[in-house]
Amino acid sequence: DSGVTQTPKHLITATGQRVTLRCSPRSGDLSVYWYQQSLDQGLQFLIQYYNGEERAKGNILERFSAQQFPDLHSELNLSSLELGDSALYFCASSPRGGRPYEQYFGPGTRLTVT
Amino acid sequence: TQLLEQSPQFLSIQEGENLTVYCNSSSVFSSLQWYRQEPGEGPVLLVTVVTGGEVKKLKRLTFQFGDARKDSSLHITAAQPGDTGLYLCAGASDRDDKIIFGKGTRLHILP
Repeated sequence: DSGVTQTPKHLITATGQRVTLRCSPRSGDLSVYWYQQSLDQGLQFLIQYYNGEERAKGNILERFSAQQFPDLHSELNLSSLELGDSALYFCASSPRGGRPYEQYFGPGTRLTVT
Repeated sequence: TQLLEQSPQFLSIQEGENLTVYCNSSSVFSSLQWYRQEPGEGPVLLVTVVTGGEVKKLKRLTFQFGDARKDSSLHITAAQPGDTGLYLCAGASDRDDKIIFGKGTRLHILP
């Protein structure tokens, strides 16, 4: 158990819908990262937050957005869902001050878009 | 665009054999991590290397960071079925803190 929690574990929804994925980092970690993992693309970095502020952006689509709240939990919002958005979404947290040396991953949310 | 290429993509060997997997890039990274991931679970951090030429050992696993901080290798001695999994390397860019993952080496150790 990494100490990072993610909910829900599974999510099935239809195209065009919007969903919110939630992540709670390890106690004391200020950085939260979001990743998308699909079979053909591997693990893709989406976005990083550090202490409530956006720190780095990866290949995140405009239909996706995220935020980190004052209690440090984070949410990833996915809208206008397409079949190709079906994937595993992971959240990770890091103990260092913003530098991505070590990341601890949650168990993931499996999103299926039908 | 920074890329991390891992090789081989797949490796299936007998228990007790030794193996090495590689993580290569043309870019310099401030640090590099190795993770192991099992199906349906999140990656688990194995090691972080920071200094060029650094070697770290974790039981039967030996990790090396290249002198130029562009590549890394993972050597497993006397592989066991419990080593089976997807091994991912990830590099942290000094310029913009973006993390790049390789696509991984899927390792299968046959009993």
